[in-house]
Amino acid sequence: DAKTTQPTSMDCAEGRAANLPCNHSTISGNEYVYWYRQIHSQGPQYIIHGLKNNETNEMASLIITEDRKSSTLILPHATLRDTAVYYCIAPTGNTPLVFGKGTRLSVIA
Amino acid sequence: SAVISQKPSRDICQRGTSLTIQCQVDSQVTMMFWYRQQPGQSLTLIATANQGSEATYESGFVIDKFPISRPNLTFSTLTVSNMSPEDSSIYLCSVDTTDTQYFGPGTRLTVL
Repeated sequence: DAKTTQPTSMDCAEGRAANLPCNHSTISGNEYVYWYRQIHSQGPQYIIHGLKNNETNEMASLIITEDRKSSTLILPHATLRDTAVYYCIAPTGNTPLVFGKGTRLSVIA
Repeated sequence: SAVISQKPSRDICQRGTSLTIQCQVDSQVTMMFWYRQQPGQSLTLIATANQGSEATYESGFVIDKFPISRPNLTFSTLTVSNMSPEDSSIYLCSVDTTDTQYFGPGTRLTVL
């Protein structure tokens, strides 16, 4: 897996966009970037993944830089229920996901 | 996607006993994984369980302590044997589908 680096924690005001950065400077050409989140005491929840192009789904948007060395997960209108630990992972092939420490996002009313 | 259920959702056990955790998936999957999440920590992979073959364990985990069964493509069990308080964790089942990995809700184990 490519090594990923994320800030330990972030705060976001409720209703504002939450932008969570991830550095993956050693990522190879065929490694996707995956984002998961874990709300307290629950199993990790898949959010989104991408290879080169920006991706959007009902939960979030994923912006990947042209050189693929970093990406940003965007929650367009954060709510209190988005408070969670967010994990950025770049697995190699079909290997099982390896989780780092992630970013603890606190959405504040 | 895949819907995964685990039983039990939580348990409190005495040291020296064993607990078997069940994982059921709503579709057939080739690869299933078991993870552990110790208090305040991230997830750690215990083993990969493929149907019809022995589970593959990660460094630091052994079959005698964490025996795994995978009798078919929708079910797996993880046993935590001879438990000690250090085994108190959340144990998570995960499956690999064509698009990504999905996780069960976890089993919260407390060992007294």
